[in-house]
Amino acid sequence: GAVVSQHPSWVICKSGTSVKIECRSLDFQATTMFWYRQFPKQSLMLMATSNEGSKATYEQGVEKDKFLINHASLTLSTLTVTSAHPEDSSFYICSAMRGYSPLHFGNGTRLTVT
Amino acid sequence: KNEVEQSPQNLTAQEGEFITINCSYSVGISALHWLQQHPGGGIVSLFMLSSGKKKHGRLIATINIQEKHSSLHITASHPRDSAVYICAVRYGGSQGNLIFGKGTKLSVKP
Repeated sequence: GAVVSQHPSWVICKSGTSVKIECRSLDFQATTMFWYRQFPKQSLMLMATSNEGSKATYEQGVEKDKFLINHASLTLSTLTVTSAHPEDSSFYICSAMRGYSPLHFGNGTRLTVT
Repeated sequence: KNEVEQSPQNLTAQEGEFITINCSYSVGISALHWLQQHPGGGIVSLFMLSSGKKKHGRLIATINIQEKHSSLHITASHPRDSAVYICAVRYGGSQGNLIFGKGTKLSVKP
């Protein structure tokens, strides 16, 4: 089946620094990639949708200058958390799909900001 | 605004029981996904539906477009089915948006 690789799986950073998370579709070209965050014991919250050839569409309440999304190619999307703060500590997950295909999820990145 | 409601929020079952999780949504969609999230966080896509019914092993997913409702059934439940099951709907075409339900936490006791 289709594989989505997310890296790193966990990261600890100091407050004020930036962290980049990568999401790669390994065996298919993803026309759409999604980024989510999930707080403990809560459901997924969609942060942004990134379609091939266009800028990411951010959900209401998500700061696009803080969470920079780059859909560099059909197989790679990155999420950069800029000037991270402790409240940004969360579980970040990406998923990818092509057209009407099923969603394929990365394994997530646990970010801890100290 | 498209809302996705799942029920129940929490479900405890005995091994072997038949389980149903429901998902309702409020506007037209292009597809509905059922996802499974295990305690470690990993998420697996179980089904993608736009009409009718799909079956995979002990899992069955149905969708009624007119009633804007979908169900996920698990037959002969097993403790390894314990997970959070999430319904997500896509609207706006093949590059459209996703909305997630809050999830149903299933615990199957041996």
